[in-house]
Amino acid sequence: GAVVSQHPSWVICKSGTSVKIECRSLDFQATTMFWYRQFPKQSLMLMATSNEGSKATYEQGVEKDKFLINHASLTLSTLTVTSAHPEDSSFYICSARRPGGYTDTQYFGPGTRLTVL
Amino acid sequence: AQKITQTQPGMFVQEKEAVTLDCTYDTSDQSYGLFWYKQPSSGEMIFLIYQGSYDEQNATEGRYSLNFQKARKSANLVISASQLGDSAMYFCAMKGGKLIFGQGTELSVKP
Repeated sequence: GAVVSQHPSWVICKSGTSVKIECRSLDFQATTMFWYRQFPKQSLMLMATSNEGSKATYEQGVEKDKFLINHASLTLSTLTVTSAHPEDSSFYICSARRPGGYTDTQYFGPGTRLTVL
Repeated sequence: AQKITQTQPGMFVQEKEAVTLDCTYDTSDQSYGLFWYKQPSSGEMIFLIYQGSYDEQNATEGRYSLNFQKARKSANLVISASQLGDSAMYFCAMKGGKLIFGQGTELSVKP
């Protein structure tokens, strides 16, 4: 299967600081990447859809000024949590859509666990 | 609107036995895709199996098979010969414009 990496895998930061999470598709070009948030024992909640070279599309209720998404190349999307607060602590997962093929499957990164103190 | 429902929060199965994880969906689209993902405690989402709405045969991938009943709008995952490493969260998902997930089922395999 396709490989998607995320960095860092975990991060602890102080309240008020900003944190950047990178998502890379390692063996295919992804015109579309997705960012999800997951709380313990819950499902994945789609935050935004990131398209290469254009602005991200945010889901309803997601603050676009707080969760900045940049998809600068066909293999890299970044999520920046600005002025992080304890309630932003969560597991953030990205995925990349592999174009073409029958299934048009999304492949997921390993996730980033964010803890805001 | 599209919706995915997994009604089993947790399931137990004895090692080497088969287990079925339930998934029902609702959509008005004629063309859609159904996926199953496995999420172990490490957090990564592992793609298991895919079923297209126009596929006439049920999808199979090794020990995984998808029992697709279109009229009933169900897409249950069957895991045969369960192994201890199968213990994880399992998510059913549907692709329309975007991928939406069910609530998940936590599977525990007993030795």
